[in-house]
Amino acid sequence: DAGVTQSPTHLIKTRGQHVTLRCSPISGHKSVSWYQQVLGQGPQFIFQYYEKEERGRGNFPDRFSARQFPNYSSELNVNALLLGDSALYLCASSTWGPTTGNEKLFFGSGTQLSVL
Amino acid sequence: KNQVEQSPQSLIILEGKNCTLQCNYTVSPFSNLRWYKQDTGRGPVSLTIMTFSENTKSNGRYTATLDADTKQSSLHITASQLSDSASYICVVSAWSNFGNEKLTFGTGTRLTIIP
Repeated sequence: DAGVTQSPTHLIKTRGQHVTLRCSPISGHKSVSWYQQVLGQGPQFIFQYYEKEERGRGNFPDRFSARQFPNYSSELNVNALLLGDSALYLCASSTWGPTTGNEKLFFGSGTQLSVL
Repeated sequence: KNQVEQSPQSLIILEGKNCTLQCNYTVSPFSNLRWYKQDTGRGPVSLTIMTFSENTKSNGRYTATLDADTKQSSLHITASQLSDSASYICVVSAWSNFGNEKLTFGTGTRLTIIP
Protein backbone atom coordinates (compact mmCIF):
# COMPACT_ATOMS: atom_id res chain seq x y z
CA ASP A 1 0.00 0.00 0.00
CA ALA A 2 1.23 3.49 -0.80
CA GLY A 3 2.10 5.71 2.11
CA VAL A 4 1.47 9.43 2.33
CA THR A 5 2.76 11.06 -0.82
CA GLN A 6 3.76 14.70 -1.14
CA SER A 7 4.70 16.75 -4.16
CA PRO A 8 6.92 18.32 -5.13
CA THR A 9 9.82 17.00 -3.06
CA HIS A 10 11.84 20.18 -3.46
CA LEU A 11 10.89 23.69 -4.46
CA ILE A 12 12.75 26.96 -4.84
CA LYS A 13 10.83 30.23 -4.86
CA THR A 14 11.62 33.91 -4.47
CA ARG A 15 10.19 36.33 -1.94
CA GLY A 16 6.68 37.50 -2.74
CA GLN A 17 5.76 34.47 -4.81
CA HIS A 18 3.10 31.98 -3.86
CA VAL A 19 3.39 28.21 -3.61
CA THR A 20 1.04 25.22 -3.62
CA LEU A 21 2.05 21.99 -1.95
CA ARG A 22 0.12 18.77 -2.45
CA CYS A 23 -0.53 15.73 -0.31
CA SER A 24 -2.25 12.40 -0.91
CA PRO A 25 -3.15 10.50 2.28
CA ILE A 26 -3.04 6.80 2.83
CA SER A 27 -6.07 5.10 1.32
CA GLY A 28 -8.90 5.10 3.85
CA HIS A 29 -7.52 8.00 5.89
CA LYS A 30 -9.89 10.93 6.05
CA SER A 31 -7.79 13.28 8.19
CA VAL A 32 -4.87 15.30 6.84
CA SER A 33 -2.64 17.61 8.84
CA TRP A 34 0.07 20.01 7.72
CA TYR A 35 3.22 20.88 9.64
CA GLN A 36 6.15 23.24 9.11
CA GLN A 37 9.57 22.09 10.25
CA VAL A 38 12.37 24.61 10.30
CA LEU A 39 15.88 23.13 10.30
CA GLY A 40 16.84 21.96 13.76
CA GLN A 41 13.35 22.36 15.20
CA GLY A 42 10.38 20.10 15.75
CA PRO A 43 7.37 20.31 13.42
CA GLN A 44 4.89 23.10 14.06
CA PHE A 45 1.20 22.44 13.46
CA ILE A 46 -0.39 24.48 10.66
CA PHE A 47 -3.77 22.92 9.80
CA GLN A 48 -5.87 19.82 10.23
CA TYR A 49 -8.66 18.83 7.85
CA TYR A 50 -11.22 16.08 8.25
CA GLU A 51 -13.93 15.32 5.72
CA LYS A 52 -13.04 18.52 3.85
CA GLU A 53 -13.59 20.70 6.90
CA GLU A 54 -10.94 22.57 8.85
CA ARG A 55 -10.67 21.02 12.31
CA GLY A 56 -7.69 22.85 13.68
CA ARG A 57 -5.39 25.76 12.93
CA GLY A 58 -2.01 26.63 14.37
CA ASN A 59 -0.48 30.05 14.93
CA PHE A 60 0.31 30.89 11.33
CA PRO A 61 -0.59 34.07 9.42
CA ASP A 62 -3.43 34.27 6.93
CA ARG A 63 -0.89 33.90 4.12
CA PHE A 64 -1.19 30.19 4.86
CA SER A 65 -4.32 28.42 3.67
CA ALA A 66 -5.33 24.87 2.89
CA ARG A 67 -8.15 22.78 1.61
CA GLN A 68 -9.13 19.13 1.36
CA PHE A 69 -10.74 17.59 -1.68
CA PRO A 70 -13.50 14.94 -1.91
CA ASN A 71 -10.84 12.25 -2.43
CA TYR A 72 -9.24 13.43 0.87
CA SER A 73 -6.11 14.78 -0.81
CA SER A 74 -5.07 18.21 0.33
CA GLU A 75 -3.29 21.36 -0.77
CA LEU A 76 -1.37 23.85 1.32
CA ASN A 77 -1.06 27.33 -0.18
CA VAL A 78 1.33 30.00 0.99
CA ASN A 79 1.10 33.53 -0.44
CA ALA A 80 3.60 36.39 -0.39
CA LEU A 81 6.48 34.12 0.55
CA LEU A 82 9.03 35.34 3.07
CA LEU A 83 12.56 34.10 3.65
CA GLY A 84 11.36 32.68 6.97
CA ASP A 85 8.96 30.36 5.18
CA SER A 86 11.91 28.23 4.11
CA ALA A 87 11.31 24.89 5.77
CA LEU A 88 10.33 21.26 5.34
CA TYR A 89 6.55 21.06 4.99
CA LEU A 90 5.15 17.79 6.23
CA CYS A 91 1.77 16.27 5.59
CA ALA A 92 0.37 13.58 7.85
CA SER A 93 -2.71 11.44 7.51
CA SER A 94 -4.62 9.37 10.03
CA THR A 95 -7.86 7.56 10.54
CA TRP A 96 -8.81 10.24 13.10
CA GLY A 97 -12.41 11.20 13.40
CA PRO A 98 -14.31 13.42 15.86
CA THR A 99 -15.05 10.45 18.09
CA THR A 100 -11.61 8.87 18.06
CA GLY A 101 -8.34 9.62 19.74
CA ASN A 102 -4.79 8.39 20.04
CA GLU A 103 -4.64 7.91 16.31
CA LYS A 104 -1.24 7.20 14.83
CA LEU A 105 -0.05 9.81 12.38
CA PHE A 106 1.61 8.70 9.17
CA PHE A 107 3.89 11.35 7.72
CA GLY A 108 4.98 11.90 4.16
CA SER A 109 8.60 12.67 3.31
CA GLY A 110 7.81 16.34 3.02
CA THR A 111 8.37 19.16 0.59
CA GLN A 112 11.58 21.11 1.12
CA LEU A 113 10.78 24.74 0.32
CA SER A 114 13.57 27.24 -0.13
CA VAL A 115 12.70 30.92 -0.43
CA LEU A 116 15.44 33.11 -1.88
CA LYS B 1 1.42 27.39 27.29
CA ASN B 2 1.96 23.78 26.25
CA GLN B 3 5.64 22.92 26.04
CA VAL B 4 7.75 19.84 25.40
CA GLU B 5 11.44 19.86 26.30
CA GLN B 6 13.88 17.15 25.29
CA SER B 7 17.36 16.34 26.48
CA PRO B 8 20.05 16.00 25.50
CA GLN B 9 19.95 18.02 22.28
CA SER B 10 22.44 15.65 20.73
CA LEU B 11 24.09 12.39 21.69
CA ILE B 12 26.89 10.30 20.21
CA ILE B 13 27.33 6.68 21.28
CA LEU B 14 29.18 3.61 20.08
CA GLU B 15 27.35 0.93 18.14
CA GLY B 16 26.01 -1.74 20.47
CA LYS B 17 25.66 0.56 23.46
CA ASN B 18 22.39 1.54 25.14
CA CYS B 19 21.09 5.08 25.57
CA THR B 20 18.19 6.94 27.13
CA LEU B 21 16.54 10.08 25.84
CA GLN B 22 14.46 12.34 28.08
CA CYS B 23 11.26 14.31 27.57
CA ASN B 24 9.58 16.70 30.02
CA TYR B 25 6.27 18.29 29.22
CA THR B 26 3.74 20.81 30.45
CA VAL B 27 0.68 19.95 28.39
CA SER B 28 -2.93 19.81 29.49
CA PRO B 29 -5.40 18.32 29.29
CA PHE B 30 -3.13 15.37 28.53
CA SER B 31 -4.27 12.84 25.97
CA ASN B 32 -1.21 10.81 25.01
CA LEU B 33 2.54 10.93 24.51
CA ARG B 34 4.29 9.78 21.36
CA TRP B 35 7.85 9.15 20.30
CA TYR B 36 8.84 9.53 16.66
CA LYS B 37 12.04 8.73 14.78
CA GLN B 38 12.99 11.11 11.98
CA ASP B 39 15.74 10.40 9.51
CA THR B 40 17.34 13.43 7.88
CA GLY B 41 15.14 14.86 5.13
CA ARG B 42 12.31 12.42 5.82
CA GLY B 43 9.03 12.56 7.69
CA PRO B 44 8.79 11.30 11.28
CA VAL B 45 7.87 7.66 11.85
CA SER B 46 5.87 6.63 14.91
CA LEU B 47 7.63 4.45 17.48
CA THR B 48 5.19 4.41 20.42
CA ILE B 49 1.98 6.01 21.65
CA MET B 50 1.20 5.95 25.39
CA THR B 51 -1.94 7.05 27.14
CA PHE B 52 -2.26 8.28 30.71
CA SER B 53 -2.66 4.78 32.13
CA GLU B 54 0.35 3.24 30.39
CA ASN B 55 3.72 3.32 32.15
CA THR B 56 5.79 1.57 29.54
CA LYS B 57 5.57 0.46 25.94
CA SER B 58 8.07 -1.35 23.77
CA ASN B 59 8.67 -1.52 20.05
CA GLY B 60 11.55 -3.87 19.37
CA ARG B 61 14.72 -2.36 20.82
CA TYR B 62 12.86 0.84 21.72
CA THR B 63 11.19 1.11 25.15
CA ALA B 64 9.31 4.20 26.20
CA THR B 65 8.28 5.02 29.77
CA LEU B 66 5.77 7.56 31.02
CA ASP B 67 5.37 9.11 34.46
CA ALA B 68 2.20 11.17 34.19
CA ASP B 69 2.61 12.48 37.74
CA THR B 70 5.97 14.10 37.10
CA LYS B 71 5.16 14.69 33.42
CA GLN B 72 8.27 12.94 32.23
CA SER B 73 8.96 10.33 29.59
CA SER B 74 12.04 8.51 28.44
CA LEU B 75 12.97 6.51 25.37
CA HIS B 76 15.50 3.75 25.93
CA ILE B 77 17.33 2.25 22.98
CA THR B 78 18.98 -1.11 23.53
CA ALA B 79 21.96 -2.48 21.61
CA SER B 80 22.14 0.50 19.27
CA GLN B 81 22.67 0.01 15.55
CA LEU B 82 24.02 2.38 12.92
CA SER B 83 20.49 2.68 11.51
CA ASP B 84 19.36 4.20 14.81
CA SER B 85 21.16 7.42 13.85
CA ALA B 86 18.30 9.92 13.56
CA SER B 87 16.40 12.58 15.44
CA TYR B 88 14.00 11.35 18.09
CA ILE B 89 11.04 13.59 18.71
CA CYS B 90 8.75 13.54 21.73
CA VAL B 91 5.20 14.64 20.98
CA VAL B 92 2.50 15.29 23.56
CA SER B 93 -1.16 15.40 22.65
CA ALA B 94 -3.74 17.57 24.41
CA TRP B 95 -7.46 17.68 23.91
CA SER B 96 -8.59 20.89 22.24
CA ASN B 97 -11.85 22.81 22.58
CA PHE B 98 -12.88 21.38 19.22
CA GLY B 99 -12.72 17.80 20.48
CA ASN B 100 -9.64 16.91 18.52
CA GLU B 101 -6.08 16.44 19.63
CA LYS B 102 -3.53 19.22 19.48
CA LEU B 103 0.02 17.93 19.20
CA THR B 104 3.01 19.74 20.69
CA PHE B 105 6.35 18.62 19.31
CA GLY B 106 9.68 18.75 21.08
CA THR B 107 12.75 19.91 19.20
CA GLY B 108 14.18 16.41 19.20
CA THR B 109 17.38 14.67 20.26
CA ARG B 110 19.87 14.12 17.47
CA LEU B 111 21.36 10.65 18.01
CA THR B 112 24.51 9.56 16.18
CA ILE B 113 25.74 5.99 16.36
CA ILE B 114 29.40 5.48 15.50
CA PRO B 115 30.98 2.13 14.59
